[in-house]
Amino acid sequence: DTAVSQTPKYLVTQMGNDKSIKCEQNLGHDTMYWYKQDSKKFLKIMFSYNNKELIINETVPNRFSPKSPDKAHLNLHINSLELGDSAVYFCASSPLRGGSSGANVLTFGAGSRLTVL
Amino acid sequence: AQSVTQLDSQVPVFEEAPVELRCNYSSSVSVYLFWYVQYPNQGLQLLLKYLSGSTLVKGINGFEAEFNKSQTSFHLRKPSVHISDTAEYFCAVSDLVSSYKLIFGSGTRLLVRP
Repeated sequence: DTAVSQTPKYLVTQMGNDKSIKCEQNLGHDTMYWYKQDSKKFLKIMFSYNNKELIINETVPNRFSPKSPDKAHLNLHINSLELGDSAVYFCASSPLRGGSSGANVLTFGAGSRLTVL
Repeated sequence: AQSVTQLDSQVPVFEEAPVELRCNYSSSVSVYLFWYVQYPNQGLQLLLKYLSGSTLVKGINGFEAEFNKSQTSFHLRKPSVHISDTAEYFCAVSDLVSSYKLIFGSGTRLLVRP
């Protein structure tokens, strides 16, 4: 069983479309993340949810909207796609609970490569 | 705020040679440090982490890293690399206060040649 699974793995779409990427983790973790990896391999955090509550919301266009129906799922919806949205999007999870201390060890999914034409 | 610098974008080495991948960080508070590896077309996998205690930490696949607080460095080393070590390596940092947020360096591509 894959610990953190993302779908789809590849997504090719036209500018202006709306698309979603889904993420599920079966590790029992409390916290989930979305990271964006650009063409130069740079990884930047976008969002984080802890028990369905948004705890990190970096400077991301409001065309990006995360949704967490339960703590095992974190989906990413993108409206009005632009060329610059082309990237690999990684979902991750960690056991860190809100208010707890300790190192935050993330488990990553395999990534979803989005290509906007 | 923390930041991570990986000065080498690519490090080519021959098989069975030693390698060091450099990582320097900046933070005004105490930090946790990590190295992740990304094999082609895969997600990131934790190699090793420094939380506290011994400054030399050992990870998977024969890698180790040494935390140097005075030089704010966390360099990754392996005494003898294999072709299968070819991958992208990322150094990352989180602070003890807002440990949710993991900040990554720009990555170093290790290219092992036969």
